[in-house]
Amino acid sequence: KNQVEQSPQSLIILEGKNCTLQCNYTVSPFSNLRWYKQDTGRGPVSLTIMTFSENTKSNGRYTATLDADTKQSSLHITASQLSDSASYICVVSETSYDKVIFGPGTSLSVIP
Amino acid sequence: GAVVSQHPSWVICKSGTSVKIECRSLDFQATTMFWYRQFPKQSLMLMATSNEGSKATYEQGVEKDKFLINHASLTLSTLTVTSAHPEDSSFYICSARDVVDPRQPQHFGDGTRLSIL
Repeated sequence: KNQVEQSPQSLIILEGKNCTLQCNYTVSPFSNLRWYKQDTGRGPVSLTIMTFSENTKSNGRYTATLDADTKQSSLHITASQLSDSASYICVVSETSYDKVIFGPGTSLSVIP
Repeated sequence: GAVVSQHPSWVICKSGTSVKIECRSLDFQATTMFWYRQFPKQSLMLMATSNEGSKATYEQGVEKDKFLINHASLTLSTLTVTSAHPEDSSFYICSARDVVDPRQPQHFGDGTRLSIL
């Protein structure tokens, strides 16, 4: 069964610190992996998208990595800000672009 | 960047009422739109895939007579929750994919919070 798992489930860090969120998947055949940020009460916003051949992608203070062999991805946030407090969702697509599997998300709280 | 607009953002209504939610792609055309439901502290759950000019495809367990979907144009899809009951209270989110480049990620609306009293 195609699944996407994320860890940790929730995380609290101090403002200015770095953190790394993990995503493991069993989706096959694999097309691409995306990280989304979802603020409370808002829709998800795309941060990065990576295909099979890409192993790193940056978007400002966000850096995503992908290891397609081990089926693992990480999202690294540098110099966290209070506005980074949100749920971060890992989404994996099968080769059909319509078929996407959502991870359960990691709830990040950045505190002053 | 691409924007998907959802309206209304918040609805409170009595049990038995039907509620229509609109999803519009503002600066691109979308042959396919997706409707999701999200409960508190849970991830998005796909309800149905809306295809312009044809019938929607519903996920297993989603009642198509309960959740009516209409995708009449390349920029608009609507979800109508018919005879809503308190258990239908949830956060409903739509997304759309650009018809020009389907490899791009889905663009999500900001969601509609539905509360049935």
